[in-house]
Amino acid sequence: DAGVIQSPRHEVTEMGQEVTLRCKPISGHNSLFWYRQTMMRGLELLIYFNNNVPIDDSGMPEDRFSAKMPNASFSTLKIQPSEPRDSAVYFCASGLAERNTQYFGPGTRLTVL
Amino acid sequence: AQKVTQAQTEISVVEKEDVTLDCVYETRDTTYYLFWYKQPPSGELVFLIRRNSFDEQNEISGRYSWNFQKSTSSFNFTITASQVVDSAVYFCALSEDTGNQFYFGTGTSLTVIP
Repeated sequence: DAGVIQSPRHEVTEMGQEVTLRCKPISGHNSLFWYRQTMMRGLELLIYFNNNVPIDDSGMPEDRFSAKMPNASFSTLKIQPSEPRDSAVYFCASGLAERNTQYFGPGTRLTVL
Repeated sequence: AQKVTQAQTEISVVEKEDVTLDCVYETRDTTYYLFWYKQPPSGELVFLIRRNSFDEQNEISGRYSWNFQKSTSSFNFTITASQVVDSAVYFCALSEDTGNQFYFGTGTSLTVIP
């Protein structure tokens, strides 16, 4: 079975550009999470969805960040405009809410110059 | 307050030694779930185990074992006869029954020296 799929795996962009990270959860999963990992701050939850509905976005750092889940098989995390401090590895994870499970994708390493 | 505390930031052991990674959690829920994940140098986060609060039986999977003790709010992870491939950052996490959010510890970086 395919795991969580994230694209791109690496992204290098310049400050001010828009960045879109993509995630395809495991088929049948009904919860989806976006995390950011940096050396300084560790693993931070940005937002999570249950049944495509955003439940908690309190971890989204600021209005430059937005996330959508238009259907059960796709989610995006957008940063506009991007800044150097957004450089991090962004993980998407999916799971079954009723079982409190969570499986991670391989991550997207974002570098903002 | 931290819901999950991994007090050991870094541990180094020599190959074939046993090593225990500590995890202490805090919750008021009676139903909750505890997890361990492994993050090897390649960067992915690999699920290792999920344990619910009603199951205090210790679990063993090959060289890995987990000791869940509600009395001390701990969910420790032991690697027996460590190998170089065990070198990674290990994260402990808690999910409460009220809500689906996960709370991760800060991780323990394990280095196994050949």
